[in-house]
Amino acid sequence: DGGITQSPKYLFRKEGQNVTLSCEQNLNHDAMYWYRQDPGQGLRLIYYSQIVNDFQKGDIAEGYSVSREKKESFPLTVTSAQKNPTAFYLCASSTRQGGPNYGYTFGSGTRLTVV
Amino acid sequence: KQEVTQIPAALSVPEGENLVLNCSFTDSAIYNLQWFRQDPGKGLTSLLLIQSSQREQTSGRLNASLDKSSGRSTLYIAASQPGDSATYLCAVKAPQGGKLIFGQGTELSVKP
Repeated sequence: DGGITQSPKYLFRKEGQNVTLSCEQNLNHDAMYWYRQDPGQGLRLIYYSQIVNDFQKGDIAEGYSVSREKKESFPLTVTSAQKNPTAFYLCASSTRQGGPNYGYTFGSGTRLTVV
Repeated sequence: KQEVTQIPAALSVPEGENLVLNCSFTDSAIYNLQWFRQDPGKGLTSLLLIQSSQREQTSGRLNASLDKSSGRSTLYIAASQPGDSATYLCAVKAPQGGKLIFGQGTELSVKP
């Protein structure tokens, strides 16, 4: 079955550590996105990528980095510069980033906790 | 700047009741509007997608409408069931970069 796989489901980060969240899709979608979800604040866009080797900052990119070396993969690194990383992280993809007709598909999320 | 608002923030109804969830957006220049369901600790499941040229979409007991000129969408759930309990999110797809902009969600509880 086609879909988006996020791993791990739970992740614990120590102070000063960088951690990487994985997102893989087999939907042949061009565009991929990372969102952060905090209680009471809805979903906020961190980074997005329309094509391989290209990505743009979203609304809250500070302290995060991404890469898009393959169409299927869009990993997110939470760096030590992100001061409040505890949140639920969601990855999504869509067929045509600028196109009007296609919706998003989401992964099951990674819950990151600072210990 | 596009803003999406959902009212109410929380709703509790008895089983069997028909209910309406509301979503409003400030900029009518959208590609489409999508309704999602989120169970606690889980990802988002797409329920309905309405293109900007459409007025409504239906799937089973769910019906979503879109009035782009007034910046409003509603999600109608018929004959609600306890299994419908979840958070419902609406999101609009903006022309600039195709980004999805979310409301903060309505938390629905259906009591048996």
